[in-house]
Amino acid sequence: DIVLTQSPATLSVTPGESVSLSCRASQGISTSIHWYQQKSNESPRLLIKYASQSISGIPSRFSGSGSGTDFTLSINRVESEDFSVYYCQQSYSLPYTFGAGTKLELK
Amino acid sequence: EVQLQESGPGLVKPSQSLSLTCSVTGYSITSNYWGWIRKFPGNKMEWMGYISYSGSTSYNPSLKSRISITRDTSKNQFFLQLNSVTTEDTATYYCARAGLRRVPFDYWGQGVMVTVSS
Repeated sequence: DIVLTQSPATLSVTPGESVSLSCRASQGISTSIHWYQQKSNESPRLLIKYASQSISGIPSRFSGSGSGTDFTLSINRVESEDFSVYYCQQSYSLPYTFGAGTKLELK
Repeated sequence: EVQLQESGPGLVKPSQSLSLTCSVTGYSITSNYWGWIRKFPGNKMEWMGYISYSGSTSYNPSLKSRISITRDTSKNQFFLQLNSVTTEDTATYYCARAGLRRVPFDYWGQGVMVTVSS
């Protein structure tokens, strides 16, 4: 199975800061990575698909980049509603796997 | 609007079967792919499997022969059955819709928490 390693596990920031969340795959997966946001007591929400493709309705401050084994989710100027957990998921090969998540918290 | 809603018992005894229903409105399950994902205490997420628009299925090998995903197109529902559960199957279970490429999951149910305990 492909292992996805997300870092950091927790990121403490103040609103207005810009941040980058990392997801590293145990083998090359082209751009078959997707990013989700999950707020407490809510279901996950798709933010970015195929590494960098935007999703309708998602604020433009969210962007994704990377290919191969290293991927980044960037949030430009974090807003209070962004404090939640972020997961990456790979679809390069079955079984689809998720990273352990990065918790974005208020400093 | 596409909406998914999980339903089923919140408590299952060890060695018994876990059965959940996902009711879909606003979109036909005879299109796209429909999956089950679970989130364990501690936040680890696991893809369990999916059923396609044609009824074909794919499962996570980690679940071996314990899992079955079926559907009722007349009711626009699909189902999860997980046999021989243990306490390690305690999790929040989500159903979700995927695109024609089987991923990503763009619509999710609200999730149902299932506890396995005697």
